[in-house]
Amino acid sequence: DVKVTQSSRYLVKRTGEKVFLECVQDMDHENMFWYRQDPGLGLRLIYFSYDVKMKEKGDIPEGYSVSREKKERFSLILESASTNQTSMYLCASSRRGQPQHFGDGTRLSIL
Amino acid sequence: KQEVTQIPAALSVPEGENLVLNCSFTDSAIYNLQWFRQDPGKGLTSLLLIQSSQREQTSGRLNASLDKSSGRSTLYIAASQPGDSATYLCARGGGGATNKLIFGTGTLLAVQP
Repeated sequence: DVKVTQSSRYLVKRTGEKVFLECVQDMDHENMFWYRQDPGLGLRLIYFSYDVKMKEKGDIPEGYSVSREKKERFSLILESASTNQTSMYLCASSRRGQPQHFGDGTRLSIL
Repeated sequence: KQEVTQIPAALSVPEGENLVLNCSFTDSAIYNLQWFRQDPGKGLTSLLLIQSSQREQTSGRLNASLDKSSGRSTLYIAASQPGDSATYLCARGGGGATNKLIFGTGTLLAVQP
């Protein structure tokens, strides 16, 4: 079975902090994705990566950056956290052209 | 802008009932349509994936259909059980190597024992 692991289930940070959300997958998938999920807005794609060191902006990249130094790990970085980045963050991975597999999510609160 | 809509936003049914969840999308040039289940506070579990060349897919008590011409997909759940209670999300796939998904906002299903 595919396993997508997000490092934290719950995280509380303060405004202005630099925040790292980590995601690891164990199935050698080429593609990895970061989404945020908000009530009434659904899931929205922040960034995705289709190979090591390759990344592309999704629909809402502002205020975020990503890093993919190794194939199995995809990090989401909030450069200077703000309260409007309080959300549920979901990571996913997939083989090329195949269904995405999701982690359990990180509920991030910015105070 | 491509949009995916799910109606109703919430649904409550008694145990044993057959039910249909609806998903509509604005772009008929669809590559695939995927249905997910999300339990409270959890990630998404993929249920069914329908390619644009297919009309339906079945898995156990679940059957998903795709009608590109009308821009609609349905998820049929037979003989519902309390364990089916969850949020059901559909997502339109953009195809290609990454198959980027555009999600609907989901239908919250409650199956009453």
